[in-house]
Amino acid sequence: QSVLTQPPSVSEAPRQRVTISCYGTSSNVGTNAVNWYQQLPGKPPRLLIYYDDLLPSGVSDRFSGSKSGTSASLAISGLQSEDEADYYCATWDETLNAPVFGGGTKLTVL
Amino acid sequence: QVQLEESGGGAVQSGKSLNLSCAAAGFAFKNFGMHWVRQAPGKGLEWVAFMSSDGNKQNYADSVKGRFAISRDTSRASLHLQMNSLKPDDTGVYYCARDLGSIRPILEYWGRGTLVTVSS
Repeated sequence: QSVLTQPPSVSEAPRQRVTISCYGTSSNVGTNAVNWYQQLPGKPPRLLIYYDDLLPSGVSDRFSGSKSGTSASLAISGLQSEDEADYYCATWDETLNAPVFGGGTKLTVL
Repeated sequence: QVQLEESGGGAVQSGKSLNLSCAAAGFAFKNFGMHWVRQAPGKGLEWVAFMSSDGNKQNYADSVKGRFAISRDTSRASLHLQMNSLKPDDTGVYYCARDLGSIRPILEYWGRGTLVTVSS
């Protein structure tokens, strides 16, 4: 059972927009910035979004992040087949005094 | 560019030890904190351990505390994870990752990982 809650899977058609949610508590998402990681099949994770809504260099602006209270979201617009991957949210947990990940969401582009 | 390459994984029996290494290149290793993160087969990501840039601070997940030890060799630009008293639940791919350098952990760059398999 992960500290952060994500839907196990989402799916959407190409060129559409999809959002992935990440639910936490006041001891993690509600207090600290959220980061998102993308893991393509058979590859290591890569940083996709940091500090809630910032994009690292080289990440497409089709990806965006937001946060409100104890929940965060990752949005992907103009879906492409190469976006099929597992997506993980992560943040710091003040109670555990450790970084925590969501369980991951598998995105399928129909 | 930043390169991280893990090594040292393999198949061991429960109770045995393994020492993982991560060779870093393409950046000033001494200036960055480093993490180990693992992923059990078909499962999600689990943070394992962190060492600060100066080596003075280490943090561990409760699941490995007392069994694993993180260390770094600045002269060789390498990160290590000594894993003792291994359990089947420790099975998975182990990634080393470089921290962004912020107040809270942000895993900016990741290696390709090394597979550890622990049999009972």
